[in-house]
Amino acid sequence: DTEVTQTPKHLVMGMTNKKSLKCEQHMGHRAMYWYKQKAKKPPELMFVYSYEKLSINESVPSRFSPECPNSSLLNLHLHALQPEDSALYLCASSQEGASGNNEQFFGPGTRLTVL
Amino acid sequence: SQKIEQNSEALNIQEGKTATLTCNYTNYSPAYLQWYRQDPGRGPVFLLLIRENEKEKRKERLKVTFDTTLKQSLFHITASQPADSATYLCALLASGGSYIPTFGRGTSLIVHP
Repeated sequence: DTEVTQTPKHLVMGMTNKKSLKCEQHMGHRAMYWYKQKAKKPPELMFVYSYEKLSINESVPSRFSPECPNSSLLNLHLHALQPEDSALYLCASSQEGASGNNEQFFGPGTRLTVL
Repeated sequence: SQKIEQNSEALNIQEGKTATLTCNYTNYSPAYLQWYRQDPGRGPVFLLLIRENEKEKRKERLKVTFDTTLKQSLFHITASQPADSATYLCALLASGGSYIPTFGRGTSLIVHP
């Protein structure tokens, strides 16, 4: 299985809602990532988990809260988001974070709209 | 500051021609450079990686060059097909760090039949 899956595909939420994005991979990868991508912009790194521990937080606001329950799963908990947080949220995995190749395997993304 | 530049204007070419996309960077010393393909509303898909000590890499109809003096990578698709239409992103991985790729904004390629 060489796939990264993400649910849901689309999410519309109000600014007071709490929701979660889910990501799963079964490739035995030990690094998992959350990226945010706006239209016509590059993916921007948000968080990195390496061996189930948070290793990088790119100064992301606390309304985004990552969680790595086990080596195959990655969640992103959302609370009190702003309309400018609307974007495509991409999950990715790689064999190990700190190796030269570091080919990223991306999921299809969750299209998030905050009203 | 560090910058990765890819042409923001779409590249339009005729089917069968060679497409050439450019990735320029400043204030970077990448150990590796990757190219990804991204279709609308989808996640990027890894295509090729080239190391700083490699001048050229090929994979089927794809060819990547890496010139660390010019601080530039060129990405070529030969015998292009309409199915090659997508956005192509370059990503740089710096040495001495965590090897997390930093992405350019990508260039849209449109291949006309």
